[in-house]
Amino acid sequence: DAEITQSPRHKITETGRQVTLACHQTWNHNNMFWYRQDLGHGLRLIHYSYGVHDTNKGEVSDGYSVSRSNTEDLPLTLESAASSQTSVYFCASRETVNTGELFFGEGSRLTVL
Amino acid sequence: AQSVTQLDSHVSVSEGTPVLLRCNYSSSYSPSLFWYVQHPNKGLQLLLKYTSAATLVKGINGFEAEFKKSETSFHLTKPSAHMSDAAEYFCVVSDLGNTGKLIFGQGTTLQVKP
Repeated sequence: DAEITQSPRHKITETGRQVTLACHQTWNHNNMFWYRQDLGHGLRLIHYSYGVHDTNKGEVSDGYSVSRSNTEDLPLTLESAASSQTSVYFCASRETVNTGELFFGEGSRLTVL
Repeated sequence: AQSVTQLDSHVSVSEGTPVLLRCNYSSSYSPSLFWYVQHPNKGLQLLLKYTSAATLVKGINGFEAEFKKSETSFHLTKPSAHMSDAAEYFCVVSDLGNTGKLIFGQGTTLQVKP
């Protein structure tokens, strides 16, 4: 079965360190997204990609970067982790901009000390 | 511009009683609307979607929602709550076919009491 997987599921790091969260989908979807979920804020879009070599900033992109070198993967990098980036991160994908259903990974819980 | 408002941050019902989770939207385009459910420590899962076909949409696990253009609403209902329905629910609006941007509501926590 096709799926979307995130790793690691849990990570603790220190302020200032670089962290990369992996996202891999096997649906061959063009669109991929990274969200963060925090109490009181719902889901907020960090970055998204509509295809290979395409990346776009979302509403809370400061301090984060992504790259899309193939269809399957969209890694999220925190260049210098800050305590404000402690959150649960969700990756999602969908077939195209014309299809609504998003398929979500199970999330990566990041704690920055 | 698009926006979505979930009118209740927390809803509590007793098992076996009806569920109503309210969602209002604003959209410059003919919107597509979705409800997602998130169980604890899980990702979001699609419950149902409206994409300009029938205004009454049936989803999984007995949930349904009605698109009311005149009221700009897309409320989620279920006739009889089950303990397993306890979760976070998100209403989402999108302009599919245009930018495809998705706007999430803040979420409604559904508590089901025995």
